[in-house]
Amino acid sequence: QKEVEQNSGPLSVPEGAIASLNCTYSDRVSQSFFWYRQYSGKSPELIMSIYSNGDKEDGRFTAQLNKASQYVSLLIRDSQPSDSATYLCAVNSASSGGSYIPTFGRGTSLIVHP
Amino acid sequence: GAVVSQHPSRVICKSGTSVKIECRSLDFQATTMFWYRQFPKQSLMLMATSNEGSKATYEQGVEKDKFLINHASLTLSTLTVTSAHPEDSSFYICSASSWADSRRDSPLHFGNGTRLTVT
Repeated sequence: QKEVEQNSGPLSVPEGAIASLNCTYSDRVSQSFFWYRQYSGKSPELIMSIYSNGDKEDGRFTAQLNKASQYVSLLIRDSQPSDSATYLCAVNSASSGGSYIPTFGRGTSLIVHP
Repeated sequence: GAVVSQHPSRVICKSGTSVKIECRSLDFQATTMFWYRQFPKQSLMLMATSNEGSKATYEQGVEKDKFLINHASLTLSTLTVTSAHPEDSSFYICSASSWADSRRDSPLHFGNGTRLTVT
């Protein structure tokens, strides 16, 4: 059973602070990792993807991957109230049929207060 | 690019009727489509995976005869909720992958979701 674990939160941070979201996964051979943002009542939207160990930066977002520790995180700098949403961690794993199926974590609720 | 259109966005139906939800990839060929269900304040729950031209693979606990999935072309998959009941009321979301040759690094592209209410 492939698992992706996230703290459900809520994580509450003040506006302008750094929000740190964490995710661990069980499938050691996973190679592709994604962060999605989901606003209430909406479908998820892709924020970041990361495939190699280390950091990947895109604007205010930084994804960090440590395959040895089976850990992936998302940092949001200069957090804004509009960042308040649920953040889903997703990990791609190979299926028996040869395609890749994403496994989603339960999501972490982030609240950025003014 | 990589737009997934899902229709309808909202539907209300009476108990016992059937509802069809369409999911279209507008600018890419979707070799694989996933159907999710999400209850309020819950996580995404994968219902089934469909590959174009073959039968869908359902997750454990999902009734195949109740949730009919058809993926007849590379741009269209449909989910039909048959004999809907109030407990089927939920947010249904489709997603598509443009994986070719089983590339592992492609993210999913999500439709906007369908809010189903069964009265």
